[in-house]
Amino acid sequence: DQQVKQNSPSLSVQEGRISILNCDYTNSMFDYFLWYKKYPAEGPTFLISISSIKDKNEDGRFTVFLNKSAKHLSLHIVPSQPGDSAVYFCAASGVNAGGTSYGKLTFGQGTILTVHP
Amino acid sequence: NAGVTQTPKFQVLKTGQSMTLQCAQDMNHEYMSWYRQDPGMGLRLIHYSVGAGITDQGEVPNGYNVSRSTTEDFPLRLLSAAPSQTSVYFCASKRTLAPLNTEAFFGQGTRLTVV
Repeated sequence: DQQVKQNSPSLSVQEGRISILNCDYTNSMFDYFLWYKKYPAEGPTFLISISSIKDKNEDGRFTVFLNKSAKHLSLHIVPSQPGDSAVYFCAASGVNAGGTSYGKLTFGQGTILTVHP
Repeated sequence: NAGVTQTPKFQVLKTGQSMTLQCAQDMNHEYMSWYRQDPGMGLRLIHYSVGAGITDQGEVPNGYNVSRSTTEDFPLRLLSAAPSQTSVYFCASKRTLAPLNTEAFFGQGTRLTVV
């Protein structure tokens, strides 16, 4: 049962254009969402996050949007650069039934982004 | 600036052999965890620890064992390797378990092949 899903295995974009990576989740107890970026032969590195009390968070060229009612988040990269070519993982964490926060991360399958010069 | 260090980077095992993947962090993080990455499956949590002496199972714990005798180290043991354990393994740490500080730092990974 995949609680965090990235339905697009890959995305190809021209340099300078916008990249939009999507992520859906099913667990309504998730309250914190993160995006990680991974280059080949390296570990994932943190990119940007958003709390469920917000619907947008921006950091330079990267913006994450959260739609709680649709259980959907997206990562926008504007403008895209060839150095952004990597695998992007969406991850989520949340609270348990007792209301205690826990930080275990549940990851999506990843989306391979290729930005062409 | 070592962060999270994993050894070895590559390993080939025969079915039935045992081995330990090492993970060490120098950031005094309370929380450490092990993930495996498989094609089309993303990163799946194997085991995690919220502090020295405390460990718990994640999503896919079978065939793996962990211990946390110090804050710095969190080794992952394969008891009897199977081809299904062929994967890339990542160790991650973060300061605490709480979501308000949920940025996890990852090691570079160990690529394990079981033949």
